[in-house]
Amino acid sequence: DVKVTQSSRYLVKRTGEKVFLECVQDMDHENMFWYRQDPGLGLRLIYFSYDVKMKEKGDIPEGYSVSREKKERFSLILESASTNQTSMYLCASSPNPRTTGLYGYTFGSGTRLTVV
Amino acid sequence: QQQVKQSPQSLIVQKGGISIINCAYENTAFDYFPWYQQFPGKGPALLIAIRPDVSEKKEGRFTISFNKSAKQFSLHIMDSQPGDSATYFCAASRDNNNDMRFGAGTRLTVKP
Repeated sequence: DVKVTQSSRYLVKRTGEKVFLECVQDMDHENMFWYRQDPGLGLRLIYFSYDVKMKEKGDIPEGYSVSREKKERFSLILESASTNQTSMYLCASSPNPRTTGLYGYTFGSGTRLTVV
Repeated sequence: QQQVKQSPQSLIVQKGGISIINCAYENTAFDYFPWYQQFPGKGPALLIAIRPDVSEKKEGRFTISFNKSAKQFSLHIMDSQPGDSATYFCAASRDNNNDMRFGAGTRLTVKP
């Protein structure tokens, strides 16, 4: 019954490495999102995509980029990982309510990234 | 800058008690207000949501109260159970559903 799958539960990377976080959804949702979750700060939006090859910056895009080549897949890229990017990363997807009348996000289980 | 402000940060309630979590927002363009529940090691899951055309929505033991003029909404958990112990997030988005903003979260502990 898994609907949003994140490729890794735990990752440890070195400072300066290029890091790829992958997310796949099987619900044919138009929208996909990357959030990071930090204690006391809640979920902060990094990037989102409302269509293939389309992307929009969220509140904290610095140091990140994204790629959406297929509707079901949304990748988060850390170009040069830094220790302040140590966090829990959550991927989510949602339908377009203007075409489906449906709201609400479905989240993956998260990837806990540690940059050392 | 937090677009949705949530309080309290943590909450301890006895089994059978009422848990109340509050949220406030600034952007009047928001028109969808969900609550998410997150257990350790899991992603947040949609619990209950409300649109601003109603002031209250109830699903089982969970109720959202919405005050449009005050730009506030709250989650009430009646007859709280130890299994309700989790982190709760309020959120808000516009009708395009592609820019949801979340509160900082409330860690609820229900003591048996």
